[in-house]
Amino acid sequence: AQSVTQLDSHVSVSEGTPVLLRCNYSSSYSPSLFWYVQHPNKGLQLLLKYTSAATLVKGINGFEAEFKKSETSFHLTKPSAHMSDAAEYFCVVSDRDDKIIFGKGTRLHILP
Amino acid sequence: GAVVSQHPSRVICKSGTSVKIECRSLDFQATTMFWYRQFPKKSLMLMATSNEGSKATYEQGVEKDKFLINHASLTLSTLTVTSAHPEDSSFYICSARVRGRLNTGELFFGEGSRLTVL
Repeated sequence: AQSVTQLDSHVSVSEGTPVLLRCNYSSSYSPSLFWYVQHPNKGLQLLLKYTSAATLVKGINGFEAEFKKSETSFHLTKPSAHMSDAAEYFCVVSDRDDKIIFGKGTRLHILP
Repeated sequence: GAVVSQHPSRVICKSGTSVKIECRSLDFQATTMFWYRQFPKKSLMLMATSNEGSKATYEQGVEKDKFLINHASLTLSTLTVTSAHPEDSSFYICSARVRGRLNTGELFFGEGSRLTVL
């Protein structure tokens, strides 16, 4: 059975400092992994995806994530946080049976 | 990128009435559309999976007679909340999967619909 765990429900960083949002997954097969962002009262927007190509994936708005099979992790990072990055972030896993599992989300707060 | 349009974005209705929410894929054909419900400060809860031309598959605990889903074409799915009650107030989000594309699991989301039942 597959699962996804977002280790932090809330993360607060100061503007201009690095962002790290953690995600660990469990999957019987080689999964596809995604990060989505949701701004208040909005739908979800794809930030980036990993589908068994390069393990370091670059996304939009300066975000990137690294797939580490040995650690079963897919953490999301950004070198320098911007106020507009304040939002809810979801890590998502999809396996070859096409079942899609959402993490519980991490609320990112940006401090001025 | 693929665009999914969801309408209405906000709706307020009286208890006992029915509300229809539309989800359209604007520039692609969607074999599968998903309907989610999101409670305040919570993750998305999958309600049902909608396949064009066939009955929707509901998740455990979701009342199929209350949440009617129709997927009449490859670009349109509708969710009708029948006899709405205040506890049905929530944020409803649809998503679509692109037809023909390698099934990587990538989803395209609508902007969501905020339902408030008085």
